[in-house]
Amino acid sequence: RKEVEQDPGPFNVPEGATVAFNCTYSNSASQSFFWYRQDCRKEPKLLMSVYSSGNEDGRFTAQLNRASQYISLLIRDSKLSDSATYLCVVNGGWGKFQFGAGTQVVVTP
Amino acid sequence: EAQVTQNPRYLITVTGKKLTVTCSQNMNHEYMSWYRQDPGLGLRQIYYSMNVEVTDKGDVPEGYKVSRKEKRNFPLILESPSPNQTSLYFCASRRQGAGVNTEAFFGQGTRLTVV
Repeated sequence: RKEVEQDPGPFNVPEGATVAFNCTYSNSASQSFFWYRQDCRKEPKLLMSVYSSGNEDGRFTAQLNRASQYISLLIRDSKLSDSATYLCVVNGGWGKFQFGAGTQVVVTP
Repeated sequence: EAQVTQNPRYLITVTGKKLTVTCSQNMNHEYMSWYRQDPGLGLRQIYYSMNVEVTDKGDVPEGYKVSRKEKRNFPLILESPSPNQTSLYFCASRRQGAGVNTEAFFGQGTRLTVV
């Protein structure tokens, strides 16, 4: 079983709609969590950190469920520019980050 | 401006010809790492370093070497490149630890082709 798993998609979303997807992780000792955005063949860039109480940044909302060991990302009022691959990143502590393989989102006009 | 700088951005080389990809960061981060990204496989860690002179293997270290003689630099060395090392490579740096302020910053990537 992979340490961090994501639905690869693609999630095809009409412009203006809402899309949500999850990421599950296997290490219950994981301490911090992030969502990154990656455009085709470019470097991943931090979208937002995920806090225990959940957090929002504009149209993006991230949630953490420690009991079930998953994080989620919700995008409201999707824009064409939101089309990208979203990477879930889990920091297990001393050592390395664990990356999910990414969820592709395609926003259509 | 906080950044991670990789060079070169693109490289085509021949099997067996040693090469080095440089990585430098200006954020005084303790932790640096190298990843390769291949279609369908996501980002896989090659090597990482928790501080100067401290390096360790990641998930796919075979065929690669690294060094960390200075805090800001973390070069990736391919002593004898082979075609299966054709990939997109990213260097990343971050603060040490496990808190929410430990997000990683990535270089712009190096697209390597070994023929």
